[in-house]
Amino acid sequence: AQSVTQLDSQVPVFEEAPVELRCNYSSSVSVYLFWYVQYPNQGLQLLLKYLSGSTLVKGINGFEAEFNKSQTSFHLRKPSVHISDTAEYFCAGENSGGSNYKLTFGKGTLLTVNP
Amino acid sequence: EPEVTQTPSHQVTQMGQEVILRCVPISNHLYFYWYRQILGQKVEFLVSFYNNEISEKSEIFDDQFSVERPDGSNFTLKIRSTKLEDSAMYFCASRAGGSPLHFGNGTRLTVT
Repeated sequence: AQSVTQLDSQVPVFEEAPVELRCNYSSSVSVYLFWYVQYPNQGLQLLLKYLSGSTLVKGINGFEAEFNKSQTSFHLRKPSVHISDTAEYFCAGENSGGSNYKLTFGKGTLLTVNP
Repeated sequence: EPEVTQTPSHQVTQMGQEVILRCVPISNHLYFYWYRQILGQKVEFLVSFYNNEISEKSEIFDDQFSVERPDGSNFTLKIRSTKLEDSAMYFCASRAGGSPLHFGNGTRLTVT
């Protein structure tokens, strides 16, 4: 069975600082990996996805993530954050050979950007 | 851009009552899902639905839960007799084959 671990439940940073939100996965099969963002009182919005190909994927709002198979990681990064990036971020994985396209989510990381 | 829409945004009900959470998936999508998120916990898979039947369900999805696609546009989750521990945010999602999930904004269910 697949699992997704987000190592940090909360990450406070100052505006314009860089940030990295960590995500590790465990799976015996190839996976697709995703980052979703949840702004307060809103649903889950897809930030970016890794399906295959280049291990560095770029998403919306200046975020990017790097798939590292040897470290089984898919960390999310942004070089300079804004106050508006304050939100909960979820890493999720899906077995690439699955037929139901079912996502397994991590517990989430609350990113708080302070002025 | 097309969206998954969920109604109501907030539902309050008494323990033991039945609730129906409603979702309108994106129109050309074929796969439909319900997830839930108990406050402070991770988003958990409940059930997937394809070709008018359940394709997979989690152990959370017991006999109290059911799903239906009554009219080709709506996708509903029914909880027959709610318990306090059913209080959570419930997310509907849909996708075309091979594309990422699109989530709705969720329904916050509060069972008192």
